[in-house]
Amino acid sequence: QSALTQPASVSGSPGQSITISCTGTSSDIGAYNHVSWYQQHPGKAPKLMIYDVSDRPSGVSDRFSGSKSGNTASLTISQLQAEDEADYHCSSYTRSTTVVFGGGTKLTVL
Amino acid sequence: EVQLLESGGGLVQPGGSLTVSCVASGVTFSSYCMTWVRRAPGKGLEWVSSISGPGVDTYYADSVKGRFAISRNNAKNTLYLQVNTVRAEDTAIYYCAKDRRYGYAFGREFDFWGQGILVTVSS
Repeated sequence: QSALTQPASVSGSPGQSITISCTGTSSDIGAYNHVSWYQQHPGKAPKLMIYDVSDRPSGVSDRFSGSKSGNTASLTISQLQAEDEADYHCSSYTRSTTVVFGGGTKLTVL
Repeated sequence: EVQLLESGGGLVQPGGSLTVSCVASGVTFSSYCMTWVRRAPGKGLEWVSSISGPGVDTYYADSVKGRFAISRNNAKNTLYLQVNTVRAEDTAIYYCAKDRRYGYAFGREFDFWGQGILVTVSS
C-alpha cells in the first residue's frame, strides 16, 4: 500500500490556473475511475472536492476540475483565489479493497 | 446537516491502548460505511480502517492490521477505533469520515468528516 505520489508544493498567482498531479499504479489509479481530491485548510477537516475522477459534489466551485490518464490523475484549479491556499490530497480505491492517499500538496497563492 | 464528533484521544505510552469514538448526527448512520483516516505531523492523509453499515465487514490498512479494531454501535450512532500496541508512528490526528454513497459496504470517497482527535504516543 504505497502512497500515491504528489508534488510537495505548487504555487500560483490570483487569476492563474494550477494543476496538481497524483501518480499511482495499475493497481489503484490505473485500475478504477475512483480517484478523489480533498482540500484541507490548516486545523480544519478535509473537504471532498472531486470524486470519481472528475465529478464535483454539490456546492463545490466549477473552478475545480479533475482528470486522469493512465496511472496519473490531476486536479486543476482555475482562476486561482486567495482562499484556495490549502493542502490538497488525492486518493484512489485499490484492487485490495483499500483506499490509498497521496502525500499531499501545499498550494500557495502568491 | 451531518455532524461527526470524535472523542477519546490523548497521550498513550508505547505499547499501550486507547479507544477513540465518533458520534454521528443528522444521518441514517446504519446505512453508511464509516472510515477512520489519520494524519501524522508533517505527513499526508492515511486511510486506516473502514466498516460497513451493518458492521459485518471490516477493512484495515496493513500498517494497523492486527493492532487496531474498528467497530460501531448503530443504536448509539457511534463509531469506534480501538488502538492497541501503539507505536510512535501512530501519533496523528484521527478523523472519522462518512462514505458519500448510501448502502455500500466499502467507502471510496468521504463527504463528511469530523474535526479530528489527536492521539499522541510517547513515554
